[in-house]
Amino acid sequence: DVQMTQSPSSVSASVGDRVTLTCRASQDVSAFLVWYQQKPGKAPNLLIYGASRLQAGVPSRFSGRGSGTDFTLTISSLQAEDFASYFCQQTDSFPYTFGQGTILEIK
Amino acid sequence: QVQLVESGGGVVQSGRSLRLSCAASGFSFSSFGMNWVRQAPGKGLEWVAIISYDGSHEVYGDSVKGRFTISRDNSENILYLQMSSLRPEDSAVYFCAKDTFESGRYPGGFDFWGQGALVTVSS
Repeated sequence: DVQMTQSPSSVSASVGDRVTLTCRASQDVSAFLVWYQQKPGKAPNLLIYGASRLQAGVPSRFSGRGSGTDFTLTISSLQAEDFASYFCQQTDSFPYTFGQGTILEIK
Repeated sequence: QVQLVESGGGVVQSGRSLRLSCAASGFSFSSFGMNWVRQAPGKGLEWVAIISYDGSHEVYGDSVKGRFTISRDNSENILYLQMSSLRPEDSAVYFCAKDTFESGRYPGGFDFWGQGALVTVSS
């Protein structure tokens, strides 16, 4: 199985900051990488698929990059509603696997 | 609009069975693969199973293989998860989730999720 490792596990930032979250796969997953945002008590929300393709309706301040084993999610200017948990998921091979998540907290 | 509504969660003793349902509406259910994803309290996400749009293929996560069965009724727009030989470590919120792209043509993650059904397995 492909192991997904996210870093950092948590990060504190302020409104307006630029933040980059990292996800690393234990083997090549090409560009089959998805990012989700999850707020407490809610279901995850799809942000990015195909490593860099913005899901419809997601603000353009979110962007994704990477291929192979190393991926990033960048939020260019944090808004109050962006403080949440973020998960990456590889969809290259079964079983699909998620990273353990990064908690983005208000500083 | 797309809606996914899970039901069937509850408290069950270890070793027993439980069936979850997910009622879908607002999209062409029979055109999309469907998934179950679970999340233990305070923990991360774990993909459980997928079924193809026509029900012809199923794949399971390692931790549930041989114990859980995913199925679907395309005439009623319902997704199921039959869970058997339940263990305390199966306790979690179970989400049903829709494939982003129809007919599995691209593995683009899951664009719509239900609100989740809580399953608690007591020892």
